[in-house]
Amino acid sequence: AQKVTQAQTEISVVEKEDVTLDCVYETRDTTYYLFWYKQPPSGELVFLIRRNSFDEQNEISGRYSWNFQKSTSSFNFTITASQVVDSAVYFCALRTGANNLFFGTGTRLTVIP
Amino acid sequence: DGGITQSPKYLFRKEGQNVTLSCEQNLNHDAMYWYRQDPGQGLRLIYYSQIVNDFQKGDIAEGYSVSREKKESFPLTVTSAQKNPTAFYLCASNWGALNTGELFFGEGSRLTVL
Repeated sequence: AQKVTQAQTEISVVEKEDVTLDCVYETRDTTYYLFWYKQPPSGELVFLIRRNSFDEQNEISGRYSWNFQKSTSSFNFTITASQVVDSAVYFCALRTGANNLFFGTGTRLTVIP
Repeated sequence: DGGITQSPKYLFRKEGQNVTLSCEQNLNHDAMYWYRQDPGQGLRLIYYSQIVNDFQKGDIAEGYSVSREKKESFPLTVTSAQKNPTAFYLCASNWGALNTGELFFGEGSRLTVL
């Protein structure tokens, strides 16, 4: 069975602090894809990153970075020097077969000015 | 601009009524999806369609129905059989079932049953 766990329900940080959002996944498939989405107050989910199971390289995109570790089944997301505009709900998701994304329950991030 | 349009953004319904949520995409995507989001929960798949005139049940299809008569349209009907319909509904699309890329989402429709 596939499962995604985001243990942090809510996180609050002061602007300019760094923050890491945790994601742990479960799957028996050897080929799978991991995603992070951002859901701002407007409601639309915005795609942030996709990582396949064969590529464990970490990735950095501006203030965002992702740490993928197959040994611990984790795909954590770090925001450096957080800003108020980063306030949103962030979802981690797992795709194994062709037809569905399995979502975690999301982490609500609040960045306090 | 290309994207996914959902309407209405907010909808109120009396118990016992059916309502239809609209989802239109101009991305030329083959596959379309409907998800339901409840507070504190992740997104759960209701129905998906990989091609016109074909659709499959997701994890929570009971009380819902869909149609896919056109590639760009995938309306969702919330029937009176859905016991707890108050939720946020998100439509999504991507290139197709064999494509493992990201889904593109609309802005959602919030349904409230009075």
